Amino acid sequence: DAGVIQSPRHEVTEMGQEVTLRCKPISGHNSLFWYRQTMMRGLELLIYFNNNVPIDDSGMPEDRFSAKMPNASFSTLKIQPSEPRDSAVYFCASSLSSSGGVNEQFFGPGTRLTVL
Amino acid sequence: DAKTTQPNSMESNEEEPVHLPCNHSTISGTDYIHWYRQLPSQGPEYVIHGLTSNVNNRMASLAIAEDRKSSTLILHRATLRDAAVYYCILRYTGANSKLTFGKGITLSVRP
Repeated sequence: DAGVIQSPRHEVTEMGQEVTLRCKPISGHNSLFWYRQTMMRGLELLIYFNNNVPIDDSGMPEDRFSAKMPNASFSTLKIQPSEPRDSAVYFCASSLSSSGGVNEQFFGPGTRLTVL
Repeated sequence: DAKTTQPNSMESNEEEPVHLPCNHSTISGTDYIHWYRQLPSQGPEYVIHGLTSNVNNRMASLAIAEDRKSSTLILHRATLRDAAVYYCILRYTGANSKLTFGKGITLSVRP
């Protein structure tokens, strides 16, 4: 298995531009998570999906951020318009979630976003 | 969410055991104790988890205090590759439970 796949691995853009980050979860997993990591705030959960349905988006910083999961094998995180403070590493993770289960999350390699 | 408290950092020598402590005095009966680690420039990875009893796997051991208010991750023989940030996280048993990462403890391993 290739693990969680994220693209692009690095993104440099200018303030005001739209940015789209992509994630392919591990086949068979039913939960998908988007995290953001910065030196100041550490690793923060932005949103997570279960069976393609958003369950908790309370971590999404503001309306400029949106996430979709059109099917079980693909998700996007979009920032429009981007701002310099959005610069961070964005991780996608997936898991096979069940009540009482380990629900181990498998993380992708991350996308390093720099907004100039 | 119940919180965990970890030291900021710890140093170890290669091939020696390492004990990484975690306090979680407000843990509830439905909270599992999970440990993840993040190697430099990588995403976090699962290490181990437990509820009440001590646990062992190929990566580490988890020792849980009888009152469950603290736990210790044990690396039996540290290697240079074990240098990472280790996160102790409480997670309830529901299907839609989430991980809330704190600052973790940064482990340095001296050759």
